[in-house]
Parts: sequence; C-alpha cells; structure tokens
Amino acid sequence: EVQLVESGGGLVQPGGSLRVSCAASGFSFSNYGINWVRQAPGEGLEWLSYISTSGEYIYYADSVRGRFTLSRDNAKNSLFLQMNSLRAEDTAVYYCARKVLTGTALGAFDIWGQGTMVTVSS
Amino acid sequence: AIQLTQSPSSLSASVGDTVTITCRASQGISSALAWYQQKPGKAPKLLIYDGSSLESGVPSRFSGSGSGTDFTLTISSLQPEDFATYYCQQFYNYPNTFGQGTKLEIK
Repeated sequence: EVQLVESGGGLVQPGGSLRVSCAASGFSFSNYGINWVRQAPGEGLEWLSYISTSGEYIYYADSVRGRFTLSRDNAKNSLFLQMNSLRAEDTAVYYCARKVLTGTALGAFDIWGQGTMVTVSS
Repeated sequence: AIQLTQSPSSLSASVGDTVTITCRASQGISSALAWYQQKPGKAPKLLIYDGSSLESGVPSRFSGSGSGTDFTLTISSLQPEDFATYYCQQFYNYPNTFGQGTKLEIK
C-alpha cells in the first residue's frame, strides 16, 4: 500500500523546538518530491515547504522560512521537518504530501499522510 | 504570492443536486490547479489536477474546468459521502497556495 505516515507531534512550549517525521512506504520514495502542509484548528490548508527528490531544491513559505528546516533521507524513505522558535500560531496538524510525478518541481499532491498534531502552548 | 478566492464559502444542497464551486486566482496560472476534498479529521484527498484531469479512482460525477484565472469544480448528482469541505490549490509556482475552502452541507 502506498502511504505516508507522520510522527513526532506533541506539546511544546513557545520558543521551543520539535522534529516531525514522515515515513514513506509502497513506492519509490527517492523518485518523488514531497511537501508539508499544515492546518490550524478549524482553519484551512497552508502550504509550508517542498523538497525535491535529492534534496537539492527546498522551498519554504514566508511564515516558516528561517525557523523550519526540511530534509530527507532516501536510504530510510523518510522526511524530517525540524521546527525551531515555535510560536502559538504554529499550532496545527502537519501533513506530508507526495507531489505527483511531473518532471518538474510543481504539481498536485496525490498522497497525503494522516497528519500529526503540534501544539505550541505554555 | 498568488491568492486564490473560492466561492461560496459554504453551500447547502440536497442528495441528487448538482453544485458548482468556483476558484479565482489573483493572476494567471495556466491550468496549474487542483481540487481536494476533506472530511472532518481526515487528510485532504486529490480529486482533480491540472484544472480538469480526474484523479484515478475518483467518481466521474466530479469534474473540473477552467484555465488562466477562473476555475470551477462541479459535482453532479450529489451523494451522501460528498458532503465535505473542498479546497482549490495552485501549483503554478512557489509558494503553492490554497483557497480558503468551501463547506458543502446537507440541506
């Protein structure tokens, strides 16, 4: 089964750090670019970051640039989002999502994980 | 960043109805638009990509159209499982952006 599974969410204090992971299975992970998208409670979807197949190209939303770092380990079929200087407004469900194969860095997201909740609160 | 405006924000309809949701981009995005369905507590599900291409496994009652700045998602003969929130997304460039969502409720 093709799937993405996030882990590592939890409760963290403002200013703290957290690393969430995304584990892939059922497909050739190294052939796909992967995105992170978050959703604050009761709110819409917000794109956060993209990493290319080899990790050569990484893009961030302005809201997280300089605080979040995205990386991947193709040997372990895994993706990591390191989140630093966390704020209350970072509270959300964090999803990893596979970009469809297009031959470019752009495309729709065809496979999503179930999400992991990150709560930033004192 | 390209802004996407969906309308309406919410919609009430009955089983069997046909509904249309629109998504307008703040600048031309060719056909680089996708539509997703999200049910409470679940991840979004891809329905339509490249403006009008139906994702594999998605029922044919879902259809998308448009290019440039104006796009529509049409759901024909609504089924009970179609009541959900729908989002458009542009992948013309980074940062990708999403519309604010349209909540489809049962009348």
